[in-house]
Amino acid sequence: DQQVKQNSPSLSVQEGRISILNCDYTNSMFDYFLWYKKYPAEGPTFLISISSIKDKNEDGRFTVFLNKSAKHLSLHIVPSQPGDSAVYFCAAIPDTGRRALTFGSGTRLQVQP
Amino acid sequence: EAQVTQNPRYLITVTGKKLTVTCSQNMNHEYMSWYRQDPGLGLRQIYYSMNVEVTDKGDVPEGYKVSRKEKRNFPLILESPSPNQTSLYFCASSKPSGGQGRDTQYFGPGTRLTVL
Repeated sequence: DQQVKQNSPSLSVQEGRISILNCDYTNSMFDYFLWYKKYPAEGPTFLISISSIKDKNEDGRFTVFLNKSAKHLSLHIVPSQPGDSAVYFCAAIPDTGRRALTFGSGTRLQVQP
Repeated sequence: EAQVTQNPRYLITVTGKKLTVTCSQNMNHEYMSWYRQDPGLGLRQIYYSMNVEVTDKGDVPEGYKVSRKEKRNFPLILESPSPNQTSLYFCASSKPSGGQGRDTQYFGPGTRLTVL
């Protein structure tokens, strides 16, 4: 039973438009959320995070929104660029000391020039 | 350059032949971890280590062993590999940033293992 779900395996958008990647979680113990980006043949790299005490965090073209009541978060990329084409993983950490990231299955984003 | 390195990057082996995947970080991080990535399942934690000589099981530890004798190294050992351990493996490290696991984990490039 996956506790973090990314229901869209792939997404294609035009360059310059907005990309919206979605993530749902079931474990109410999660209180910190992260997005990682992964290129082929490389490890995931950290992109942006949000604490459960916030509902929005912005870093340049990337914004993460958190809706705790719906147990839903989303990553917005504006404007999308071809270099953003990668697999995006949503991850969550519970409010315990183990530091284990629980990952979603990933969404492959393709930004068309 | 700050990095996490893994070796080998690719490995094909046969059932039952012991193997070790090495992981090393040069950032003086206390926390290190191993994950495996399988299609449709994302990354799942195998083992983690809070510091030298301190290791514990993650979500999918069966069939794996680890050791942490030095701060920079965290090898993953498969004593008797089986085909269901065919996967993409990632090592990660991080430095605590105020407790409760809010630190960002840095990942190695991955090791693709095939067990025949």
